[in-house]
Amino acid sequence: IQMTQSPSSLSASVGDSVTITCRASQSISSYLNWYQQTPGKAPKLLVYAASTLQTGVPSRFSGDGYGTDFSLTISSLQPEDFATYYCQQSYSTPLFTFGPGTKVEIK
Amino acid sequence: EVHLVESGGGLVQPGGSLRLSCAASGFTFNNYWMSWVRQAPGKGLEWVANIKEDGRDKYYVDSVQGRFTISRDNAKNSLYLQMNSLGAEDTAVYYCARDAWSTGWGDRFDSWGQGILVSVSS
Repeated sequence: IQMTQSPSSLSASVGDSVTITCRASQSISSYLNWYQQTPGKAPKLLVYAASTLQTGVPSRFSGDGYGTDFSLTISSLQPEDFATYYCQQSYSTPLFTFGPGTKVEIK
Repeated sequence: EVHLVESGGGLVQPGGSLRLSCAASGFTFNNYWMSWVRQAPGKGLEWVANIKEDGRDKYYVDSVQGRFTISRDNAKNSLYLQMNSLGAEDTAVYYCARDAWSTGWGDRFDSWGQGILVSVSS
């Protein structure tokens, strides 16, 4: 299963709302996870099963989607949110694939 | 608190071998599938391999099949990745990650180590 993300990068300001999209090459039901990675750090799980927020993740993050099309929305961007975001499908467990990533930069 | 610490990385010549280790603590290690995920410099994440709780089932991405071997020692709460016939394309930061599976919610990597760099170069 191939994963694509768009855009590959975006520029936004603190306080903006941004949406990142992820598309699977075939239906993956809701088996889609989102991760955040800041430079030099390990990825961090944000959302699993398309829309379930991982414990401790701020509520300004939300996930949506089913089948092949998914989205991650960050409402009111904070300085610590500037990072690269990856989607990952777990439908084909125990084999997994990640999307290519979306870099959110400061405008 | 879940803690995963990788070790064993470094510089290796093309065609060489390296064994990575991941020491786990803060959870019942033998209750979880575990994975290795890598990230080439400036690139995205790539799932590499995983292993079932009891070590009996193992899966690999096609690009490492036959060259890498994942294993675990539940008595030592440790995960391993034996890497043979290394090439420049294997240069990456390697992360161990815990797979938190649950019915209806699927698999997700909910805890990660800090990563260890493997450089393949002459």
